[in-house]
Formats: sequence, structure tokens, C-alpha cells
Amino acid sequence: DGGITQSPKYLFRKEGQNVTLSCEQNLNHDAMYWYRQDPGQGLRLIYYSQIVNDFQKGDIAEGYSVSREKKESFPLTVTSAQKNPTAFYLCASSITLSGANVLTFGAGSRLTVL
Amino acid sequence: GEDVEQSLFLSVREGDSSVINCTYTDSSSTYLYWYKQEPGAGLQLLTYIFSNMDMKQDQRLTVLLNKKDKHLSLRIADTQTGDSAIYFCAEKGGDSSYKLIFGSGTRLLVRP
Repeated sequence: DGGITQSPKYLFRKEGQNVTLSCEQNLNHDAMYWYRQDPGQGLRLIYYSQIVNDFQKGDIAEGYSVSREKKESFPLTVTSAQKNPTAFYLCASSITLSGANVLTFGAGSRLTVL
Repeated sequence: GEDVEQSLFLSVREGDSSVINCTYTDSSSTYLYWYKQEPGAGLQLLTYIFSNMDMKQDQRLTVLLNKKDKHLSLRIADTQTGDSAIYFCAEKGGDSSYKLIFGSGTRLLVRP
């Protein structure tokens, strides 16, 4: 079945450590995204990539980094510079259907900083 | 800037209709979306509507769009306990950006 796989589902990190969240899709979608979800705040865009080897900052990119070396993969690194990294992270990919940008989401990764 | 707002909570009795409301500020929005999120999971697309449409119906779901008032609603007919979830409204701006702007979500609780 086609879909988006995020790993790990749960991750614990000590302060000062970098961690990388994996996102893989087999939908053959060109665009991929990382969103952060905090309770009561909805989804905020961290980074997005419309094509391989290219990506753009979203609204809250500080303290995060990404790469897009392959179409299928869009890993997110949460660096020690991110002041409040505890959150639920959602990866998505998209296809354009008659102009509508339809996002498909992974199941999410919950990061907790100890 | 762009903003999407939703009420935080809605409680209905099983079998009743649910209406979840959303307002947005970007008058150049081209598409508006409804997503559903169950606990601990990702978001699932329910439906979307093009901005030149007033209504779209898909089985138990009816989307109404008032472009003049920048108001979007999702009606769920014959609401079931399995409909309990968080519902997100999102909009795509009129520029060529791939970005969607999401509201903060409405938590729907269906009482037996």
C-alpha cells in the first residue's frame, strides 16, 4: 500500500542533543512537508520541499534543518538550538489534483525532551 | 497575514447532526479543506472545495462555503461515536505556494 512512514513514533531526547526524524513516502509525490503540532495551536509549518535538492523555510524553521536528497525521503533534524522541541511532528506529501494541493499525512512522531 | 480560526470544542448526541465552523482571512484562497485527526494519529483528508463553489456533498458530509463572509462549515449528518476526533480546517492561498494554512482544530465529542 502507498503511504507515508514516519519513525520513530516516540522519541526521548536529552537537552543539548540533536535528533533526526525520518519520513519516507512511496506515493511518488513531488512535494513534502514537516508540520509541528502543539495542543490547542493547530499545525505550524516548519519546512517544505517542492522538488529534490530544494526546500524552503516555513513559519517556524529556527532550530530545525532538513535535506531532500531523494524524492522519497525528507528527514527533519531537531537541533539543540530549538528552545522548546517537545511536540508532535507530522510529515506530509502532496499531489496536485485539478489545482487542489491535497496533502497525505504520516502517523506522526512524538518528541519529548527530558 | 493569513489566519484560519475555529472554535475549540463541540459536543453532540449520537444520531444528531454536527456543524463545525471555520473562518479565514485570505480573500485569495483558492481551495479549502477539512481534515480529521484521531487520537495519536496523523491527519486524514475528508473533503475539499474550490472557492468558486458554494456547497459540496459527499455521503454524510456537507461543506458550505460563504466566500463573501470567508466562512466555511462542515456538517456531519447522523453523527456516530466513531466521528469523535479533531477536525481541522485549512486553506490554500491564491499564490503558487504549496503551503496550506491550518486552523487550530475543533474537538468533536459524540455522546451515546
